Amino acid sequence: AQSVTQPDIHITVSEGASLELRCNYSYGATPYLFWYVQSPGQGLQLLLKYFSGDTLVQGIKGFEAEFKRSQSSFNLRKPSVHWSDAAEYFCAVGALSNAGKSTFGDGTTLTVKP
Amino acid sequence: GAGVSQSPSNKVTEKGKDVELRCDPISGHTALYWYRQSLGQGLEFLIYFQGNSAPDKSGLPSDRFSAERTGGSVSTLTIQRTQQEDSAVYLCASSLALGSVAGELFFGEGSRLTVL
Repeated sequence: AQSVTQPDIHITVSEGASLELRCNYSYGATPYLFWYVQSPGQGLQLLLKYFSGDTLVQGIKGFEAEFKRSQSSFNLRKPSVHWSDAAEYFCAVGALSNAGKSTFGDGTTLTVKP
Repeated sequence: GAGVSQSPSNKVTEKGKDVELRCDPISGHTALYWYRQSLGQGLEFLIYFQGNSAPDKSGLPSDRFSAERTGGSVSTLTIQRTQQEDSAVYLCASSLALGSVAGELFFGEGSRLTVL
């Protein structure tokens, strides 16, 4: 069975500081990995996705993520956080043929201090 | 509209009543998904529609939950005899399936259901 673990429920960083959100997954085949962001009262927006190729993927809003098969991880990073990045972030793993049936982590809430 | 539209945005109901939640996907998107997001939890897959194929209902938590999609467009999620544990945000997403590859999911803003 596939599963996703986001170890950090809540993270607080100062504006301008770097950010790393952790994601570990369990999947029986080659995973299709995603990061989504959910701002308060909004639906989810796709930040980036990985299926194959370069293990460092670039996304929107200056985010990137690195796939590490040996560690079963897909951590999200941003070099300099902006106040508007405060939101909840979800990692998900699924099959290429049906990304919508992905399994989602419980999310990490990011607070940005001025 | 340009995005996925869901209604109502908020619904408060009494235990035992039936509720209907509506999703209007992006025009031309053949795939439509329903999810449930309980407080402090990730998304729980409920049901998936793809074109004219039979829906994948494998995520529905009980037979009180059902969904239909009329004309390959608008979908309605129905919860019968609501229970307090049904309180959650119900999210709808659509995508343009590209052959065997699912395209990017576009989410609506959700319908927040509160069962008293």
